[in-house]
Amino acid sequence: DQQVKQNSPSLSVQEGRISILNCDYTNSMFDYFLWYKKYPAEGPTFLISISSIKDKNEDGRFTVFLNKSAKHLSLHIVPSQPGDSAVYFCASNADKLIFGTGTRLQVFP
Amino acid sequence: DTGVSQNPRHKITKRGQNVTFRCDPISEHNRLYWYRQTLGQGPEFLTYFQNEAQLEKSRLLSDRFSAERPKGSFSTLEIQRTEQGDSAMYLCASSVPGLAGNTQYFGPGTRLTVL
Repeated sequence: DQQVKQNSPSLSVQEGRISILNCDYTNSMFDYFLWYKKYPAEGPTFLISISSIKDKNEDGRFTVFLNKSAKHLSLHIVPSQPGDSAVYFCASNADKLIFGTGTRLQVFP
Repeated sequence: DTGVSQNPRHKITKRGQNVTFRCDPISEHNRLYWYRQTLGQGPEFLTYFQNEAQLEKSRLLSDRFSAERPKGSFSTLEIQRTEQGDSAMYLCASSVPGLAGNTQYFGPGTRLTVL
């Protein structure tokens, strides 16, 4: 039973354009969501989070949007840079993190 | 740097051997978590500690797995009688509950290969 889903396994975006990564969840009791970035052979790096009492949180080039009625969140990266190429995981936080399966982002010149 | 550290970074072992991994959390973090990640999947929760108390264990954590955090600082994860299916990246994370939604910070992981 996948409580957090990332339905797009990969995304390819040109440098300078916007990257939009999507995530859906099933449990309406989840009250905090996080995005992590992961390079090969490294641990996940925390990027940005959002509380369920908000619908948007912004940090530099990264913005996370939360649509509670649709149980959907998205991460926007603008402008995208080649160094953003990595696997991105969304996760819900209820003591332990519940992760999606990840989306591999490739930013090409 | 006072981030989460894990040792060893890589471990290759033969089936049936025991292995032990160590995690040193961020010093002021009283929660410590273990996760396992296999290819194509997100990290999956194994267990977590608050100080020295082990508060939850996943059903993924079979009897061959044991974790300790004896003094509420570093933690060890031991796998006895390893099987090929144990091959994975083992990740440790730490946090301060109540701070920014209990955001967890991860170490670099230990890559286990069971031959």
